Amino acid sequence: NAGVTQTPKFQVLKTGQSMTLQCAQDMNHEYMSWYRQDPGMGLRLIHYSVGAGITDQGEVPNGYNVSRSTTEDFPLRLLSAAPSQTSVYFCASSYQDTGGWPQHFGDGTRLSIL
Amino acid sequence: AQKVTQAQTEISVVEKEDVTLDCVYETRDTTYYLFWYKQPPSGELVFLIRRNSFDEQNEISGRYSWNFQKSTSSFNFTITASQVVDSAVYFCALSEEGYNNNDMRFGAGTRLTVKP
Repeated sequence: NAGVTQTPKFQVLKTGQSMTLQCAQDMNHEYMSWYRQDPGMGLRLIHYSVGAGITDQGEVPNGYNVSRSTTEDFPLRLLSAAPSQTSVYFCASSYQDTGGWPQHFGDGTRLSIL
Repeated sequence: AQKVTQAQTEISVVEKEDVTLDCVYETRDTTYYLFWYKQPPSGELVFLIRRNSFDEQNEISGRYSWNFQKSTSSFNFTITASQVVDSAVYFCALSEEGYNNNDMRFGAGTRLTVKP
């Protein structure tokens, strides 16, 4: 039972570098999302997708891009890393985007920008 | 816009004490969903419960219980006879049935420490 798989688990970048955080789910879920977790602020939604080919912005989208070419995968791209993007990133999926389905989270990616 | 407030930043109790974690929410929708998640020291997020806005029945699951009161816009979580393994950060979250259906808004979290 893989569920939601995120890679890598840890990453250190230099300011200005770009990278992609990978997220894959094997539950055939329609809805996928990316959150960042910062101390004292809970989780904040970066981008989400309600199905393959459809993405939209969440609460804090600046500096990030996403795409959803398949149901299973939802990568998050940092275009030009900044120290303010140091955070723990969680990918999540749920069965549908309606009906209040609970979201299943990956184990997170701890990202440090120097 | 929806909002979730967890006023208690940190709580420390001694094992076997009961503890209640508070959650207050704001929403304009009549149909919405409330959640509690647990984040143990290992860092993963574990789903605990979902409640929809039309179901105000309290729920009990073992040592865990939840009190949903629409009149006060609260969805509080009580752990009875706490154990060291309950030490974690607990998040309350809200999603609305309207636009951005699964745009789940989280509270800032409450860090619970249970001492032996």
